[in-house]
Amino acid sequence: DAKTTQPPSMDCAEGRAANLPCNHSTISGNEYVYWYRQIHSQGPQYIIHGLKNNETNEMASLIITEDRKSSTLILPHATLRDTAVYYCIVNPNNAGNMLTFGGGTRLMVKP
Amino acid sequence: DAGVIQSPRHEVTEMGQEVTLRCKPISGHNSLFWYRQTMMRGLELLIYFNNNVPIDDSGMPEDRFSAKMPNASFSTLKIQPSEPRDSAVYFCASSRRYEQYFGPGTRLTVT
Repeated sequence: DAKTTQPPSMDCAEGRAANLPCNHSTISGNEYVYWYRQIHSQGPQYIIHGLKNNETNEMASLIITEDRKSSTLILPHATLRDTAVYYCIVNPNNAGNMLTFGGGTRLMVKP
Repeated sequence: DAGVIQSPRHEVTEMGQEVTLRCKPISGHNSLFWYRQTMMRGLELLIYFNNNVPIDDSGMPEDRFSAKMPNASFSTLKIQPSEPRDSAVYFCASSRRYEQYFGPGTRLTVT
């Protein structure tokens, strides 16, 4: 499976956009990019996933570069409740199983 | 929808004792996952069921761990005998398509 590289931590001001980067330079053509987050003491929560096109839902946007070697998760208007660890995961199918969680990025949203 | 239900939420036991963790997946979901999270190793997938059948148990650490899914609405993870290094938060997750829904976790402490 392809591995991902994320910065260990980031800060963001409340109300501003949070842009979380992820490198997955060894991603294969059939591997999807998934994002989950884990708020303190809770189970992880699915955010979004994509293959090669940009995706948007009610929580976030996912921008995948044309060569698919990296992606960015965008929280358009971060709130204090978005403070969490964000995990970028590549997965070999659209079924979302066999997820391998790395260290993630600890996002701190500050007032 | 009550979400994924796990019990107990907290378990403290002595080394050598048997521990059974329980999970009720979301109704209609056909895949179930058991994960373990520790500070040292992060979030690890232990075992994955599809339609009540174990598909991949390569993450189960050793023979002391066993998991069953006797029907679509119930799964157990058993540790016998337990050891202090088994102390962790154990999460159960279920899915129907690509999105995994995690339960609140069981915090296990083995003394």
